[in-house]
Amino acid sequence: DAKTTQPNSMESNEEEPVHLPCNHSTISGTDYIHWYRQLPSQGPEYVIHGLTSNVNNRMASLAIAEDRKSSTLILHRATLRDAAVYYCILRAAYSGAGSYQLTFGKGTKLSVIP
Amino acid sequence: GAGVSQSPRYKVAKRGQDVALRCDPISGHVSLFWYQQALGQGPEFLTYFQNEAQLDKSGLPSDRFFAERPEGSVSTLKIQRTQQEDSAVYLCASSLRTVSSYEQYFGPGTRLTVT
Repeated sequence: DAKTTQPNSMESNEEEPVHLPCNHSTISGTDYIHWYRQLPSQGPEYVIHGLTSNVNNRMASLAIAEDRKSSTLILHRATLRDAAVYYCILRAAYSGAGSYQLTFGKGTKLSVIP
Repeated sequence: GAGVSQSPRYKVAKRGQDVALRCDPISGHVSLFWYQQALGQGPEFLTYFQNEAQLDKSGLPSDRFFAERPEGSVSTLKIQRTQQEDSAVYLCASSLRTVSSYEQYFGPGTRLTVT
C-alpha cells in the first residue's frame, strides 16, 4: 500500500480554520484518499474521502492537489470537540486479496486551544 | 440508528486465560473488520469478513487469535492463552459494501488488559 506522511501534531485556536496536510507521493491512480479521526477513548470516525476532485461535507472539506501527491483536510471552524487524532489513509479501489482494510499511520494529533 | 457495539468494554485477564470479545455490527453491513490498537499507535488490521466468510486473516499475530462470524452478523474475536503483549484496544468496524469507497463504522472498542 502507498504510504502517507502527516505531521505528528498541530495546534489551532477555537473557531479558526484548520488545515491538516497529508503527503502521499506514491499514490496510485485508483487509490482513494480517506480521512478518519479518533476522539479520546473512542473508535475512529469517518470524516471524508475523495479520489480526484475536492470534496465537501458537513464535517469538513478535502482539497486534493492536481497531481494527487498531497491533500489537505480543512476544518472550517475548529471547536473543542474537534480535538482528536486525524488519520490520512489511502485505500486501493481494487484489492486482489478481497480485503479492504484501512491502514492507519500515527496520524496528526490536533489540539484546539480555547 | 444503532451503531457498532462491542462487549465487554473492558476486560482484565490473567496471563494464560482465554478471552472472547463480541462485536455487533450495523444491521445489513456486509463487511466486518477487527483491528488492534496499542497505546499511542494507530489501529492495525487483524482480520476481515464478507458476510460469514473470513476472507483475510493476514493480520492475526499468532494462532492464539481466532475470529468467527457464523451467521454473517455478530462476530467474536477469541484470544487463547493470553499474553501481556495482547494488552490493547480491540476495535470492530463494519461497512455496508465491500468496495473501498464505502466508509467503515467503528465500535467503541474493548480494552483488554492482561496481568
